[in-house]
Amino acid sequence: GAVVSQHPSWVICKSGTSVKIECRSLDFQATTMFWYRQFPKQSLMLMATSNEGSKATYEQGVEKDKFLINHASLTLSTLTVTSAHPEDSSFYICSATLGTGVGTEAFFGQGTRLTVV
Amino acid sequence: AQTVTQSQPEMSVQEAETVTLSCTYDTSENNYYLFWYKQPPSRQMILVIRQEAYKQQNATENRFSVNFQKAAKSFSLKISDSQLGDTAMYFCAFPGSSNTGKLIFGQGTTLQVKP
Repeated sequence: GAVVSQHPSWVICKSGTSVKIECRSLDFQATTMFWYRQFPKQSLMLMATSNEGSKATYEQGVEKDKFLINHASLTLSTLTVTSAHPEDSSFYICSATLGTGVGTEAFFGQGTRLTVV
Repeated sequence: AQTVTQSQPEMSVQEAETVTLSCTYDTSENNYYLFWYKQPPSRQMILVIRQEAYKQQNATENRFSVNFQKAAKSFSLKISDSQLGDTAMYFCAFPGSSNTGKLIFGQGTTLQVKP
């Protein structure tokens, strides 16, 4: 099956700094990548949809300037949490799709645990 | 708006027994897929099973099967012969919009399989 890799798996950063999370599709070119946020024992909430070479589409309530998404190639999307604060601490998960159409399967990265201290 | 609802926050089952997780959804679309994902303690999301709305036959993948009731907008997951490795959080998911892979997830059900 298709493999999506996230890096890093976990990161601790100081309040006020920025942190970048990478999402790579290792063995396929991803048509679209998605970024989700998950709080402990809660569901995944979609943050944004990312397409290569174009601006990301953010979900309502997600701050574009806080969560910068860059989709530089068909295999790499990055999420940068800028000026991080403790409330940004969460589990961030990316997914990538191969192709389009009803029933398109999404392949997930292993997630990144961000702790802001 | 499309919504997905899982009304069972936590469930438990004895090893080797059968358990059913519930999911209801709301949509105005006619052609769509529904998914069940598993998130074990490692937190890696794993696709368990998917169902196409046009197919009347319920999907089956080994010990996992669904009971899809399109008119009732119900999509339950049955796990037979439960194993300790089935312990995980299970999410029902619906595509947020056709053709993109974007997903709307239910609240999740934490399943504990007891030895």
